[in-house]
Amino acid sequence: GAGVSQSPSNKVTEKGKDVELRCDPISGHTALYWYRQSLGQGLEFLIYFQGNSAPDKSGLPSDRFSAERTGGSVSTLTIQRTQQEDSAVYLCASSLARADNSPLHFGNGTRLTVT
Amino acid sequence: RKEVEQDPGPFNVPEGATVAFNCTYSNSASQSFFWYRQDCRKEPKLLMSVYSSGNEDGRFTAQLNRASQYISLLIRDSKLSDSATYLCVVNGFQKLVFGTGTRLLVSP
Repeated sequence: GAGVSQSPSNKVTEKGKDVELRCDPISGHTALYWYRQSLGQGLEFLIYFQGNSAPDKSGLPSDRFSAERTGGSVSTLTIQRTQQEDSAVYLCASSLARADNSPLHFGNGTRLTVT
Repeated sequence: RKEVEQDPGPFNVPEGATVAFNCTYSNSASQSFFWYRQDCRKEPKLLMSVYSSGNEDGRFTAQLNRASQYISLLIRDSKLSDSATYLCVVNGFQKLVFGTGTRLLVSP
């Protein structure tokens, strides 16, 4: 079946512009994560959605970052007034049922470059 | 203390060698453990889950030590294609937490 789909795969934007990144999880997966990864670095947790529960936003680096998940499926990550340090690969992952005993399936990521 | 800690490496080993990585975790209530593999400029992919009794998948063996709160990954007969970053994943406080990864380089 289809895996986790992210779009766009690449995004180049000017400093100060807003960007929206989209994640379409595997059908039926209730848990959805956003991570970002800078070149040569580990995964940095951003936000976690689990079913209808309030999202865990503890990893969002600033109030310029926000995310929503409509209808328990597609999620969008929005970065307002982008800065050069926002340049990274943004990875979305989903898992089945309870996130704490199910492995994650990752999308291919969105490579964001802020010029 | 970080929730999940790994030695970043790199571990440089010749083909055919046996190599082992450890990963320590801080939450003693953690119940789920995984090893992921990430190739350069690619997304992480599940390598194997880690079960309490330990488990093996071909050349790969995973172990869990609850008393000392660490998991390990053993790779036997290393291949060039094993070169990658290996990520330890543990369920923390209601969500999965990734280590920063251990880089493995297998040379001819």
